[in-house]
Formats: sequence, structure tokens, C-alpha cells
Amino acid sequence: QVTLKESGPALVRPTQTLTLTCTFSGFSLTTTGVRMTWIRQPPGKAPEWLARVDWDNDKFYSTSLKTRLTVSKDTSKNQVVLTMTNMGPVDTATYYCAQSMTGRSLDYWGQGILVTVSS
Amino acid sequence: QSALTQPASVSGSPGQSITISCTGTSGDIGAYNYVSWYQQHPGKAPKVMIFDVNNRPSGVSNRFSASKSGNTASLTISGLQAEDEAEYYCSSYTSGSILLFGGGTKLTVL
Repeated sequence: QVTLKESGPALVRPTQTLTLTCTFSGFSLTTTGVRMTWIRQPPGKAPEWLARVDWDNDKFYSTSLKTRLTVSKDTSKNQVVLTMTNMGPVDTATYYCAQSMTGRSLDYWGQGILVTVSS
Repeated sequence: QSALTQPASVSGSPGQSITISCTGTSGDIGAYNYVSWYQQHPGKAPKVMIFDVNNRPSGVSNRFSASKSGNTASLTISGLQAEDEAEYYCSSYTSGSILLFGGGTKLTVL
């Protein structure tokens, strides 16, 4: 059974760096084809794809946010980490991690974590 | 990259069928047969209902079907049920291995 859970701060101050962790079970990120993606969804708005890290450590980033994002994996801990620098109020959103075997769809999602950016 | 275009809302009565459209460009929907559809109930994470244009994951009702023509994809839900009331998002693979989402369509079951 695949499960994913996001963790991190619920409140971040403007200009700070956000670090989120996705802890998963039911699969291994060393398995060929496994891809882990971060997505965010501002309140009342559509999801936005942020970044992806693959089993072979290939990494992909949103064109508009790539200068602020870093994604990494720790296969020994079954975790994927996303950092986003220079947070602002527009970055307030629910952040999700998701797993896929193809990268063409998002097959399993975590429950999400609401991150509010406010002073 | 701009978001894919979906109608803001659709509605239908129980038992009826509805179709949600998703319009992109020749760089996303038109270029790849990698359109997926997600259902999201309030306060919940999205759930994939369709992948690779017209494939249903195991466990998804066959009342959900989808297709693509040119730069437009469509999701059809037949035999509407109260539990289908949700927000629906389309997504397309684009260059750079990025997924682009639609703005979402709120389905109301009357």
C-alpha cells in the first residue's frame, strides 16, 4: 500500500526559506521508473506542478520557479525534500507530494500540508 | 506556459451524462497523448481518474471516460451520481517533463 505524507512548517515568514519533507512507504525510490513530484495548490485555485526527482536522480523544475526550488531525495529514509527560497504571501498554498511510475500523471498523492506565508 | 482552459462549472442531474472540456495548445495536449484527469473533493487531495488520455486506473468507475482531439481533451461522466460532485482538473505533459494543469471545473449534481 502506497502512502505519502508531507511535513514541515505551517507558517513561514516572508523572505524565509521553506523546507518540506515527503515521507513515503509502500515503494522504494531506488526502483526503476519511480518518480516523485511536488505540487502546490493556493486556496481556491488550481494545482501547480513544482518539481520532480526520479529514481535515477534526474531532476526537473517549474520554469517560472526553478531559481527558487531545490528537490532532493534520501532513499535510506524514504524521503523527498523540497526547498523553496524567498517565500512570499503568494506562495501560501497546500503543498502536496505525489508518486508516479511514468511522470505523465500523478498516481498517488499525500494529504497535503497548508503553508501560510505571513509576517 | 499558460494553464489549460476548462469551463468554470458544469452541472447535471443524477443519471445524466456531462462532458468537461480542456483546451491546450500544440505544445501540450496537441503534442502528447499524456492527458490526465483528477477529481478533488473539498479538503481532499486530488485523485487521478484518467491517465494517458483515456485509461482508467484500477478501481475507477467505468462511468468515467475521456478522449482527445487535436488540442482539446474531454472527460465524460455518465450516470451521474451525487458522489461525483467535485472539482475536476485536467493535466497535460509538456516539454521539460513538466505537467500543466487546467483551471478546474466545478461539477454540481443537481
